[in-house]
Amino acid sequence: NAGVTQTPKFRVLKTGQSMTLLCAQDMNHEYMYWYRQDPGMGLRLIHYSVGEGTTAKGEVPDGYNVSRLKKQNFLLGLESAAPSQTSVYFCASIKGDSQMNTEAFFGQGTRLTVV
Amino acid sequence: AQSVTQPDIHITVSEGASLELRCNYSYGATPYLFWYVQSPGQGLQLLLKYFSGDTLVQGIKGFEAEFKRSQSSFNLRKPSVHWSDAAEYFCAVSGAGSYQLTFGKGTKLSVIP
Repeated sequence: NAGVTQTPKFRVLKTGQSMTLLCAQDMNHEYMYWYRQDPGMGLRLIHYSVGEGTTAKGEVPDGYNVSRLKKQNFLLGLESAAPSQTSVYFCASIKGDSQMNTEAFFGQGTRLTVV
Repeated sequence: AQSVTQPDIHITVSEGASLELRCNYSYGATPYLFWYVQSPGQGLQLLLKYFSGDTLVQGIKGFEAEFKRSQSSFNLRKPSVHWSDAAEYFCAVSGAGSYQLTFGKGTKLSVIP
């Protein structure tokens, strides 16, 4: 049982390049989330999904797109990377089928640098 | 809109001293409240959570937190801090529906030997 796995762990992009971050969970969780973490800002929600085939915008969605074609995977895309997108990105998932199952499980993060 | 305020950016305590990290939240309905800990370069680990019932909740590593609805607070406490507790601590709130977590900006804890 791997939990939540993010790939890649590190990446350096040039301004204008595109990339996709993959989040995979093997816990059959319904809800998945992408956050970015910047110094002094805590974690801010980019996009989220409440089930396979659904996505919704979070607090800071501009410049990002997401897809959830399979329940276990949640992809985060950067179409044209900008230096302002240099950050650490965390994926999380929640089972969400009862009050007892509202804990978020986090991946280990992806450190992205845009130069 | 939901929000979380952690008033202390950085706290330094001596090893063996007691600790209290403050958290105030804003949420329109019954909140689910969480404390997470993050060691340098690592992901987030859940310390404890509250969603209903007893307002004093126990977590891992000897931490506890008390939910005070009247004060919209969920402060984290530990009676005796260990050097290994040095990390960044995040308070978060969510609720039924999308369960999306809103985080505070974090409190960095330093421990003096």
